[in-house]
Amino acid sequence: QVQLQQSGPGLVKPSQTLSLTCAISGDSVSSNRAAWNWIRQSPSRGLEWLGRAYYRSTWYNDFAVSVKSRITINPDTSKNQFSLQLNSVTPEDTAIYYCARSGHTGEAYDYWGQGTLVTVSS
Amino acid sequence: EIVMTQSPATLSVSPGERATLSCRASQSVSSNLAWYQQKPGQAPRLLIYGASTRATGVPARFSGSGSGTEFTLTISSLQSEDFAVYYCLQCNNWPRTFGQGTKVEI
Repeated sequence: QVQLQQSGPGLVKPSQTLSLTCAISGDSVSSNRAAWNWIRQSPSRGLEWLGRAYYRSTWYNDFAVSVKSRITINPDTSKNQFSLQLNSVTPEDTAIYYCARSGHTGEAYDYWGQGTLVTVSS
Repeated sequence: EIVMTQSPATLSVSPGERATLSCRASQSVSSNLAWYQQKPGQAPRLLIYGASTRATGVPARFSGSGSGTEFTLTISSLQSEDFAVYYCLQCNNWPRTFGQGTKVEI
C-alpha cells in the first residue's frame, strides 16, 4: 500500500520560500513508472497542478507555466521522498498543498498526501 | 490550456437515487479523463481513470463514460457516504487541468 506523508510549515511570510516534503512508503521515488507531483487547492484557483519529478534513467521535471520561474521539485533518494520549494510567495499562494503519485493509472493521480494548509501572511 | 467545465455546480438528490454528473473539455482529451471524490478535510480520492475504469476498491455503483469532449460520472444508487464534491481531471494535455467541481448534496 502506497502512502505519502507530508511535512512542512503552515505559515510563510510574503516574499519568502514555501518548503514542503513528501515522504513515500510502498513505492520508490526512483521508480521508472511513477511520477511525483505537487498539486494545490484554493477557493479562488480550484485544484491546480504545479509540477512533477520523475526518473527515467535520469531525473526530469515538468512545471506549470504559472509557477515555472519560482518552483523547484527535488527527489531525495536517500530518504525516499521529494520536496517542493516555491520562492517569492504572495498571499495568492495561500492554499492546501498536496503531493500525489501518477503513472500507475494512466496519468491520473492515484495516491495523495494528506494535504498541508499553507498560509502566506506576515 | 484545456478548460474543464462541470455541471451542475450542485446536485441535490436523495439516498437511493441515481446521480449523473457531467464534465466537458474545451478540446478533445480522448479517453484521458479521471474522476475524483473529495470530502471535507480530505484529499481527493481517485474513482475513475481512462474515462471508464474504476480504481481499486471503488464500488460498482460508480461508472464513467464518454470520450473526446463529453464525459459522465454516474452513481447508480446514492449512499450516505457518496455525498461529497466530485472533480474531473484531464490527463491528455499539459498542463493537467481539473474541473471546478460538482457538489452532491442531500
